[in-house]
Order: sequence, then structure tokens, then C-alpha cells
Amino acid sequence: DAGVIQSPRHEVTEMGQEVTLRCKPISGHNSLFWYRQTMMRGLELLIYFNNNVPIDDSGMPEDRFSAKMPNASFSTLKIQPSEPRDSAVYFCASSPNTQGNQPQHFGDGTRLSIL
Amino acid sequence: GESVGLHLPTLSVQEGDNSIINCAYSNSASDYFIWYKQESGKGPQFIIDIRSNMDKRQGQRVTVLLNKTVKHLSLQIAATQPGDSAVYFCAEAPYGQNFVFGPGTRLSVLP
Repeated sequence: DAGVIQSPRHEVTEMGQEVTLRCKPISGHNSLFWYRQTMMRGLELLIYFNNNVPIDDSGMPEDRFSAKMPNASFSTLKIQPSEPRDSAVYFCASSPNTQGNQPQHFGDGTRLSIL
Repeated sequence: GESVGLHLPTLSVQEGDNSIINCAYSNSASDYFIWYKQESGKGPQFIIDIRSNMDKRQGQRVTVLLNKTVKHLSLQIAATQPGDSAVYFCAEAPYGQNFVFGPGTRLSVLP
């Protein structure tokens, strides 16, 4: 079975550039989550969607970060302009729904390096 | 509570021995708990979950124990194998709310 698919796996770019991370959730899952992982802060929830609608974006660090989910099978996380402190591993996860608490299934992440 | 990933605790065990990884959670309202395994270069992988109406749940070679009185969760891995080497995270969630992840424990399996 196909899991959560993220692209690119690695991204290296110069500060000030726009970065777009992509995610395809597991088919049939209605909830999608974007996380950031760093050594200092561990795994942090940035934003999550339910049925393609953003529910809570309180974890988004700044206005430079934005996320969209135009349909049930695709989401993007965009950083514009990027800064060196944005360097981290970004994970996308999906779950069947947010009701009743169910496991989230993670992709293998995008390792982002901003020079 | 916010998860802060400073000095990652490390557990070293001999191959074939049993491993016990511990997690203290913070929210007494949490009623659902998960253990994840994260290997290098990969995303967290679901291992086992438990709800607050249980105090023990077993899977294949893994057992999760929940002590709500002291807000403690543990993961036991039987007959630890080299492939078990990874970082293990616990995650807690009150009903209908999002998960809060622990800082993780690195498990190293010695030959």
C-alpha cells in the first residue's frame, strides 16, 4: 500500500528563495498534518487540515509560511522568503480523521537546508 | 505541552535482551497514546497504541504499559534485534485533540 508521499526528499537553496514542499496523503484519509523536526525543538505541529480545510495553523511560525490543500490528494507547504533558521526536516502525516484519535501515518520527510 | 528536543536520552542494550523505553506524559486529560519508531532518514513509523481504558497492550515483540496514576508510559521490546535501533517517540492526545510528541529516546542495539 502506498504511504504518505513527500517531495522533494532533499532541498538545498539560498536564503530569500521560495521553497515549496509537497505531500500526497494516504488515499481515503481525511486529515493531513504538517510537522517540522529539529534537534532543538523536536517534532512540532505547524498546521493541519480536515477535509481539505485548514483547522489550526497556530503552529505556523511566521507569515512567511503558508499551506494549502487544493484537493484530498495533495497539499503544499510554502516558505517565502526562506531563511537559514528554516532549515529542518519537514514531515507530512495523514490519518483517517481527527475524531476518536487515530494513528497518524508519516511520510519520509523533506530535509530542507537554507544557505 | 511543547515538545523540546534537547539532549536525546540513549538506551544501549545487548542484542537478544529485552528493552524498556520510558515516557512521562504531561496532560492528565490525555486518553490516547502512541509509540513511534524513527529510523535515520525516515519518518516516524507507528508501532503500537493504547487508550486510557487499558493498562497494557501487546503486539508482535512489543508491549505498551500505561500507568495513568503517575502519567507514565513504557514500551517493552522483547529479544531486541539490530533492526530495532532507532529513535522511539511517545505521543499523547486528549480526545479529539492533536498529538504532543515526547523528545524521543535513542535505542542502540549492541552486537
